[in-house]
Amino acid sequence: AQSVTQLDSQVPVFEEAPVELRCNYSSSVSVYLFWYVQYPNQGLQLLLKYLSGSTLVKGINGFEAEFNKSQTSFHLRKPSVHISDTAEYFCAVGIQGAQKLVFGQGTRLTINP
Amino acid sequence: DVKVTQSSRYLVKRTGEKVFLECVQDMDHENMFWYRQDPGLGLRLIYFSYDVKMKEKGDIPEGYSVSREKKERFSLILESASTNQTSMYLCASSLLVAGYGYTFGSGTRLTIV
Repeated sequence: AQSVTQLDSQVPVFEEAPVELRCNYSSSVSVYLFWYVQYPNQGLQLLLKYLSGSTLVKGINGFEAEFNKSQTSFHLRKPSVHISDTAEYFCAVGIQGAQKLVFGQGTRLTINP
Repeated sequence: DVKVTQSSRYLVKRTGEKVFLECVQDMDHENMFWYRQDPGLGLRLIYFSYDVKMKEKGDIPEGYSVSREKKERFSLILESASTNQTSMYLCASSLLVAGYGYTFGSGTRLTIV
């Protein structure tokens, strides 16, 4: 069975600083990988996804993530964050043919002015 | 714009009441899901449905039931609400194979008093 670990439960950063949110997964077969964002009191929305092909994936709002098969990681990055990026971020993994995704515990990103 | 709609954003109910949470999707997705989200616990799957009248228990089904009479609608039922069911409830849908990710509703914040 696959699993997902988000290594940081909370990440505080200053506005305009770069940020990296870490995600590691465990799976014995090929995976699909996702990052979702949840703004306060809202549902989750898709930031970006890796299905196949280029390991560098660009998403909405200036975020990108890199799939690293050897390190089983899919870390999310943004070169310069804004106050509006304050949210909770979830990493998720699925395997080919599966009907369900497995979600990480979430990372709360707090942007300080 | 494709959408998953949850009928209520905020709901307050009394202990012992039977509570219905409704979710409707307009994407002709086969799969629908109910999650509950609590601080520090991430997303926990309550029930999953892969077709009309078909359902599968998730990780925390106790105290809940579901109904899927039509493809677009998936209802979560709290048979006899208790205060420990106070939570954020999220509905999601996906194609039969989840490799393309989920689409989430905006969530229902349910308070049991």
